[in-house]
Amino acid sequence: DSGVTQTPKHLITATGQRVTLRCSPRSGDLSVYWYQQSLDQGLQFLIQYYNGEERAKGNILERFSAQQFPDLHSELNLSSLELGDSALYFCASSPAGRDRGWNTEAFFGQGTRLTVV
Amino acid sequence: DAKTTQPPSMDCAEGRAANLPCNHSTISGNEYVYWYRQIHSQGPQYIIHGLKNNETNEMASLIITEDRKSSTLILPHATLRDTAVYYCIVRVSGNTGKLIFGQGTTLQVKP
Repeated sequence: DSGVTQTPKHLITATGQRVTLRCSPRSGDLSVYWYQQSLDQGLQFLIQYYNGEERAKGNILERFSAQQFPDLHSELNLSSLELGDSALYFCASSPAGRDRGWNTEAFFGQGTRLTVV
Repeated sequence: DAKTTQPPSMDCAEGRAANLPCNHSTISGNEYVYWYRQIHSQGPQYIIHGLKNNETNEMASLIITEDRKSSTLILPHATLRDTAVYYCIVRVSGNTGKLIFGQGTTLQVKP
């Protein structure tokens, strides 16, 4: 158990809909990262939040957005869903930051499997 | 970002050491090498990381060449549960800590 909790584990929704994926990081971790893993793309970095603020952006579509709340949990919002958005979405947390430095290990949750039909 | 090159697949006999190579010839002096593995669509699992010295923990050993252009992850006594995709990652320098995954090596441990 990595200590990172993602909900829900599975999600099935229709095209055009909007969903919210939730991530609870390990206690004390300030950094949260979101990744997408589809069959043909591998693990793609989407976005990072650090202590409530966006820190780094990867290949995140404009239809997707994220935020990190004061209690440090994070949500990834996916809207206007398309069939191609079907994938595993992973959240990772890390104690990386100004105090610990940025070279620390990140711990991944078990993911949310999104199926768009 | 420093890129890594790994063989797409490898086999290893159960109980033997598994040696997984990684080339990272464009690595910068302050960039770390990380290894993660992913077992059948589970969340990636941290294994080990290092800068220039060899590292060992309860899971594995990491051997980094003196010029830092390549490294080897060693699983000393592979078991069937070590069958997974192994990712060698050069940590992006800068103030983010994000990890950029490549295609990895699929390690098949056989009885």
